[in-house]
Amino acid sequence: EAGVAQSPRYKIIEKRQSVAFWCNPISGHATLYWYQQILGQGPKLLIQFQNNGVVDDSQLPKDRFSAERLKGVDSTLKIQPAKLEDSAVYLCASTIRGTASMNTEAFFGQGTRLTVV
Amino acid sequence: AQSVAQPEDQVNVAEGNPLTVKCTYSVSGNPYLFWYVQYPNRGLQFLLKYITGDNLVKGSYGFEAEFNKSQTSFHLKKPSALVSDSALYFCAVSSYSGAGSYQLTFGKGTKLSVIP
Repeated sequence: EAGVAQSPRYKIIEKRQSVAFWCNPISGHATLYWYQQILGQGPKLLIQFQNNGVVDDSQLPKDRFSAERLKGVDSTLKIQPAKLEDSAVYLCASTIRGTASMNTEAFFGQGTRLTVV
Repeated sequence: AQSVAQPEDQVNVAEGNPLTVKCTYSVSGNPYLFWYVQYPNRGLQFLLKYITGDNLVKGSYGFEAEFNKSQTSFHLKKPSALVSDSALYFCAVSSYSGAGSYQLTFGKGTKLSVIP
């Protein structure tokens, strides 16, 4: 079974530039998550999709971050404009079914390491 | 709101000795608890989970965790540590987020170093 795919693996940009990350979840997984992991901290949920609808985006800085999952499969997370404090690893995860997620573990991609200079 | 605390930033243990990585939680309702491991430059990998039932949960790579409701703890344990167990360990709690789906809230992580 193929895992969660993310690209790019690494990205370095200057502040005020824009950047986009891509995620392709495991086939058949209805729920997709984007997490931000700042160095020395645990992952923090940014946005959660159920198919192509947003379930929770309460911690997404909407003035600069946006995300979409148009066909209910792969997803894109964008930052525009980037700030120095956005330097982090951005993790994508998926679970098989929303209703089963209580006792179903999430599968994570390798992440995209963003450095804003 | 749910939360998870991992009181130790780092745990050092000699190879072959037992290890414990601590986790306490705060939730309303029944807790659904998870442990994940993160190796350098890798994503998080699932180790084990507690949903209901036996308080001692067994997981991957010889790890187990003990759920203690009265102490609101879910400590990760292994009887004999290996150097290859050196990694970052995250405790997490699952909670309902709406539309029939759930989300994980993570602790800040504990770095485990197993010394040869």
